[in-house]
Amino acid sequence: GAVVSQHPSRVICKSGTSVKIECRSLDFQATTMFWYRQFPKKSLMLMATSNEGSKATYEQGVEKDKFLINHASLTLSTLTVTSAHPEDSSFYICSALKAGGYEQYFGPGTRLTVT
Amino acid sequence: AQKVTQAQTEISVVEKEDVTLDCVYETRDTTYYLFWYKQPPSGELVFLIRRNSFDEQNEISGRYSWNFQKSTSSFNFTITASQVVDSAVYFCALLTTSGTYKYIFGTGTRLKVLA
Repeated sequence: GAVVSQHPSRVICKSGTSVKIECRSLDFQATTMFWYRQFPKKSLMLMATSNEGSKATYEQGVEKDKFLINHASLTLSTLTVTSAHPEDSSFYICSALKAGGYEQYFGPGTRLTVT
Repeated sequence: AQKVTQAQTEISVVEKEDVTLDCVYETRDTTYYLFWYKQPPSGELVFLIRRNSFDEQNEISGRYSWNFQKSTSSFNFTITASQVVDSAVYFCALLTTSGTYKYIFGTGTRLKVLA
């Protein structure tokens, strides 16, 4: 199998605080993980590509200082939304690429609400 | 340029009707993969099918069928005898093998199956 988990599944935080979202590949090693953001009734927007042991590559228009990505091991990547604001409220989805593979396996998503 | 177009934003059908979701893609790569995902209200992306560019054989899986036509750059998805549980957003995605294995998602088609 190829199972990817995300934690938490849902989080509500106050404006100005930071939130960390974890993405784990449970039964395989993922050299590359991707982070997506999805606005209501919209498509998935790729935010960044995260490679194990190196800095993430951010898509144009994504603030790297606001969305901190760490991929410290072959099974874990984290996305930290720093100093969150209500406009950061969104559905965040991660995906993982098996070593040597090309197909992404998606996590169940994290719904972030900033009040 | 790489692009996926799902021209149908929303479709409503009555239960038991057949429905086809359109997907048109653009790529200059000769090797690529096409995917369909289902996103129910829970938000989790459910993998439905993967097709590579060298395999134009149509596929049927239960009530689902896919028609891949390279000549028209289309990868359409048909649900036969639709059911209320089919109500979801459906995304078509393109993966090219040049570069960093990024997925290019279409904007999605929201399918509502009415009882």
